[in-house]
Amino acid sequence: EAGVTQFPSHSVIEKGQTVTLRCDPISGHDNLYWYRRVMGKEIKFLLHFVKESKQDESGMPNNRFLAERTGGTYSTLKVQPAELEDSGVYFCASSRGGHQSSPLHFGNGTRLTVT
Amino acid sequence: KQEVTQIPAALSVPEGENLVLNCSFTDSAIYNLQWFRQDPGKGLTSLLLIQSSQREQTSGRLNASLDKSSGRSTLYIAASQPGDSATYLCAVVSGGYNKLIFGAGTRLAVHP
Repeated sequence: EAGVTQFPSHSVIEKGQTVTLRCDPISGHDNLYWYRRVMGKEIKFLLHFVKESKQDESGMPNNRFLAERTGGTYSTLKVQPAELEDSGVYFCASSRGGHQSSPLHFGNGTRLTVT
Repeated sequence: KQEVTQIPAALSVPEGENLVLNCSFTDSAIYNLQWFRQDPGKGLTSLLLIQSSQREQTSGRLNASLDKSSGRSTLYIAASQPGDSATYLCAVVSGGYNKLIFGAGTRLAVHP
């Protein structure tokens, strides 16, 4: 089966610009997660979708971040306007069941650099 | 607030050695613990998932143990190989069951 795919793999933008990251989960996986790692820190949870519904977005840093999953398939994460501290690697992951029992499958991540 | 710590931060060993990576967590009320591997520029690969009711899981040369009461897990790698070189991450599911809380990882280098 195809894995979780993320696009783009790298993005370099200037402060104040907008960037949209995309994630295509494994087919049939209802659960989709966004995580990110900023420089020198641990990977941190951003939000969780079950199908098209946001189950938990407690990790979203502020209202400059907007995630969507229309139709319950792929998801986008938009950062508008980007700030320097948004630089990092953004990972998407999917699973068939919830965290309690199903291992997560991660994409390769999008490395975002805000200059 | 759950915190996950991994020791050591980095490890360099010769090929063939058996080694142990450590993970500790502050709140023993976890649903499960997972070990991941990350290669440079790649995503995370799930290695082992231990449910809170389990004591250990094994996959090939990997064995992960869980002592929930003491807040500890170890990942044992037998007969290490250069291909095992990667960053190993420990993560727990606790509190809100829909999020993983990660440690900072152990960067492992196995040299021939």
